[in-house]
Amino acid sequence: GENVEQHPSTLSVQEGDSAVIKCTYSDSASNYFPWYKQELGKGPQLIIDIRSNVGEKKDQRIAVTLNKTAKHFSLHITETQPEDSAVYFCAAPRRRSSNTGKLIFGQGTTLQVKP
Amino acid sequence: NAGVTQTPKFQVLKTGQSMTLQCAQDMNHEYMSWYRQDPGMGLRLIHYSVGAGITDQGEVPNGYNVSRSTTEDFPLRLLSAAPSQTSVYFCASSYSKSRDTQYFGPGTRLTVL
Repeated sequence: GENVEQHPSTLSVQEGDSAVIKCTYSDSASNYFPWYKQELGKGPQLIIDIRSNVGEKKDQRIAVTLNKTAKHFSLHITETQPEDSAVYFCAAPRRRSSNTGKLIFGQGTTLQVKP
Repeated sequence: NAGVTQTPKFQVLKTGQSMTLQCAQDMNHEYMSWYRQDPGMGLRLIHYSVGAGITDQGEVPNGYNVSRSTTEDFPLRLLSAAPSQTSVYFCASSYSKSRDTQYFGPGTRLTVL
């Protein structure tokens, strides 16, 4: 079935280092790939997204890259800060059925940035 | 705009009790959905709605009912709570089913004893 795999499940980095989280998807018809950040006790918040007509998108210290051939996309956070510590989710829409618009989420990555 | 609001924030139920989790949005979004979040399993879709009067099942619908009588409200009902329904529940909305950006509420933490 359609699914989204996310790795790693946990990631610990030193403040100032970079962090990379990778997701693979199975539905080749997927064309929209968002990343959400969830802070403790809160709901997920969209931080960046990419559509399949571009290979990379940047917003200050975060960037997302997409490889449609390999069906994977990655979140890159540079110059990490303690406030980047959170759970990050990738997602992709399920297209191959009448259930258009539904997002399939990865399992989540807990990022810890150590000061 | 308040965005997506959920009530209550916390709830403890006994097995067999019923309750309704409330969700409302003030962004005139057509698409609304309910997810549950469990450790190591990400967010799983329970039910969703593409507009008032229309609902459909997601990945894990058993034990839950929904209705969408207005554009703003999308309540989730547990008719007979079970310990397996202990989870954090999130409501989300987006402008339409073809606009994929979803906005999440703050969540309801439910414990079933």
